[in-house]
Amino acid sequence: GENVEQHPSTLSVQEGDSAVIKCTYSDSASNYFPWYKQELGKGPQLIIDIRSNVGEKKDQRIAVTLNKTAKHFSLHITETQPEDSAVYFCAATPRRDDKIIFGKGTRLHILP
Amino acid sequence: KAGVTQTPRYLIKTRGQQVTLSCSPISGHRSVSWYQQTPGQGLQFLFEYFSETQRNKGNFPGRFSGRQFSNSRSEMNVSTLELGDSALYLCASRADTEAFFGQGTRLTVV
Repeated sequence: GENVEQHPSTLSVQEGDSAVIKCTYSDSASNYFPWYKQELGKGPQLIIDIRSNVGEKKDQRIAVTLNKTAKHFSLHITETQPEDSAVYFCAATPRRDDKIIFGKGTRLHILP
Repeated sequence: KAGVTQTPRYLIKTRGQQVTLSCSPISGHRSVSWYQQTPGQGLQFLFEYFSETQRNKGNFPGRFSGRQFSNSRSEMNVSTLELGDSALYLCASRADTEAFFGQGTRLTVV
């Protein structure tokens, strides 16, 4: 089955700088890669996703890149702000009716 | 449109007891998945139900079970609770690929 590895587990970034979180997946059939943000006391919320027919997707300060050959994908947050402090999860799934498998999460701290 | 609702939000149980958690999905969503979240382990997949049938299953012992009703609401049950079952239990509903999560039920086993 699918296995998703996520790095780093903790990341501290100065406010205004960029943050990068990286994930690798094992199942070459995976074709949907969402990223979730979880704030304290809340459930994870989808912030951006990418499908395997696209190499990069951007939404304002957030971007995701996908390298299918290497089986890895990354989340990039530019011009970080205090409200970006949270836990971020990457995930992968091979089919619409298959389970979504999550990485173990990255705790992002934005330093003032 | 109402989001995913989980009840109760908090539970304290004693070892050996059993517990039932409830999840009401977003209206129109037929898939409900359950995840266990513990520090350092991330979100571990328990099982997924679609149209009252278990569609996918994770690697949890048989003490963890679930079901889904005709209105898509789902329950999960944990029997013979152990201290290690203390966790945040999250459910997610989806109509297609995007999963929407509830706020979770925090279970503490003492």
